[in-house]
Amino acid sequence: GQQVMQIPQYQHVQEGEDFTTYCNSSTTLSNIQWYKQRPGGHPVFLIQLVKSGEVKKQKRLTFQFGEAKKNSSLHITATQTTDVGTYFCAVQTGTYKYIFGTGTRLKVLA
Amino acid sequence: DVKVTQSSRYLVKRTGEKVFLECVQDMDHENMFWYRQDPGLGLRLIYFSYDVKMKEKGDIPEGYSVSREKKERFSLILESASTNQTSMYLCASSFSGQGFGYTFGSGTRLTVV
Repeated sequence: GQQVMQIPQYQHVQEGEDFTTYCNSSTTLSNIQWYKQRPGGHPVFLIQLVKSGEVKKQKRLTFQFGEAKKNSSLHITATQTTDVGTYFCAVQTGTYKYIFGTGTRLKVLA
Repeated sequence: DVKVTQSSRYLVKRTGEKVFLECVQDMDHENMFWYRQDPGLGLRLIYFSYDVKMKEKGDIPEGYSVSREKKERFSLILESASTNQTSMYLCASSFSGQGFGYTFGSGTRLTVV
């Protein structure tokens, strides 16, 4: 079945440093979504990528979809303490049905 | 403010009890989902529904059932709770069509003792 690997599992960075999490699939994806879950909170939808090689930006966050549509990355420039949380990718496996990666937990040290 | 509301934030139940987790959304979403979240395992899909009275099994349906009698409400039922069902349960909903992400509820942390 569909599998999605997300790395790294944990990342500690100093405030101001950059951060990247990667999501890799064994199969070609139709699209990929990214979510953020703050500590003690619930996942919140950030963005969806659909096109091969697509790059989208939200302020300090840059999302990229690989050319082969098998991988994606989320990059945060100059992290802030408000970026703390777990970042999940989600891939579509059926009509409106997604499976989630195991997430990357980000800690930002002030 | 649109939202997904889960009836309980924390719940403690005894082994063998029948447990009902309720989820209500006010966004007129067609699709509703139940996930459980466990450390190191991420979010795993239990059941989902594309329409009223319709349901489909997710990746881990064993020990669970669901009910969707109205569009806005999706209930998760643990027929006979067991300790391995201790978890955070997250309800989500979405519109049909591309580009729509899930809206999640705040979650119910269920402990089965």
